[in-house]
Amino acid sequence: DIQMTQSPSTLSASVGDRVTITCRASQSISSWLAWYQQKPGKAPKLLIYKASSLESGVPSRFSGSGSGTEFTLTISSLQPDDFATYYCQQYNSFWTFGQGTKVEIK
Amino acid sequence: QVQLVQSGAEVKKPGASVKVSCKASGYTFTSYDINWVRQATGQGLEWMGWMNPNSGNTGYAQKFQGRVTMTRNTSISTAYMELSSLRSEDTAVYYCARVGSGSYYDYWGQGTLVTVSS
Repeated sequence: DIQMTQSPSTLSASVGDRVTITCRASQSISSWLAWYQQKPGKAPKLLIYKASSLESGVPSRFSGSGSGTEFTLTISSLQPDDFATYYCQQYNSFWTFGQGTKVEIK
Repeated sequence: QVQLVQSGAEVKKPGASVKVSCKASGYTFTSYDINWVRQATGQGLEWMGWMNPNSGNTGYAQKFQGRVTMTRNTSISTAYMELSSLRSEDTAVYYCARVGSGSYYDYWGQGTLVTVSS
């Protein structure tokens, strides 16, 4: 099974900050990686697929990069609506999620 | 527009079974796989398994093998996930998700809370 490890688990930031979340795979997954945003009581929402492709309707301040085993999600200028939990997901071999990164207000 | 609408919250006793439904609309149900994911309170997302609504073929995470069954009724565009031998650790929100053409999840159901308590 492919394991996904996110860091940090929690991130405290202010509006306007640049934020970066890292996701590491236990083996190469090429670019078969997605990022989701989840707010309390809601289903996750797709942000990024194929490591760096922005889902339609998602603000351009979100970007993804990486390939192989190391990936990052960057929010260029954190907005109030962005305080949420973010999950990476590999879909190279079945599906596995990272443990999540909670972005909270500093 | 694509929608996945799940059945309502359930309360079950330990040892019982639960069956959660996921009704699809806005697209051809048999054209996209459905996956099931669960999330315990305050915890992360856990993949449970997949189903191809066209063939009925399924695949389950090893953790749930022998306890989970995924089925469908194509006449009403509905997928089902049944989990048996429930224990308190199965208390969670259960989500269905559509697997898009790129194999990531492009649409999710609203979630169904299953509470296991004596």
